[in-house]
Amino acid sequence: KNQVEQSPQSLIILEGKNCTLQCNYTVSPFSNLRWYKQDTGRGPVSLTIMTFSENTKSNGRYTATLDADTKQSSLHITASQLSDSASYICVVSAYNAGNMLTFGGGTRLMVKP
Amino acid sequence: KAGVTQTPRYLIKTRGQQVTLSCSPISGHRSVSWYQQTPGQGLQFLFEYFSETQRNKGNFPGRFSGRQFSNSRSEMNVSTLELGDSALYLCASSPSGGPGETQYFGPGTRLLVL
Repeated sequence: KNQVEQSPQSLIILEGKNCTLQCNYTVSPFSNLRWYKQDTGRGPVSLTIMTFSENTKSNGRYTATLDADTKQSSLHITASQLSDSASYICVVSAYNAGNMLTFGGGTRLMVKP
Repeated sequence: KAGVTQTPRYLIKTRGQQVTLSCSPISGHRSVSWYQQTPGQGLQFLFEYFSETQRNKGNFPGRFSGRQFSNSRSEMNVSTLELGDSALYLCASSPSGGPGETQYFGPGTRLLVL
């Protein structure tokens, strides 16, 4: 069964600090992995998409890494801001499954002043 | 370009009723996917439509159905509502639904079943 697990479930950090969120998956055959940011009451917004051959992708202060061998990904947030407070969701797509995505449970990040 | 829009934004229904939700994709996008989001189960894929045809379907009962019109607008219908159907229903669009394409999500319709 395709599964995506994220850790930690929740995280509180101080403004300006860095943090790293983890994602482990068992989706096969792997096509791509996405990180989304979801603000409370809003739809998810795409941060990064990585395919099998990519191991790092950045979007501003967000850097995602992918290790396809160990089936792990991480999202590193640098110099956190209050606006980074949101849920971060890891999503994995299986090859030939179109948009039939498997979602992780998300990490709820709170950035405090 | 206008983003993905969903109507209505909020809805309250009672058990046994049926409901229809609407999604207008970004102009030019032909793939529309629907998702259910609940606190307990997180985000789950319902189905995807492309060129008026259902292309993929998740593991939901037949009470959940959808359709897509020639202008790519999509509707989702839930019949015989149950309390457990209370959720945020999200739709997302992309140009052709290719596996590497970014999906753009709408704000969602929050459904409460009493």
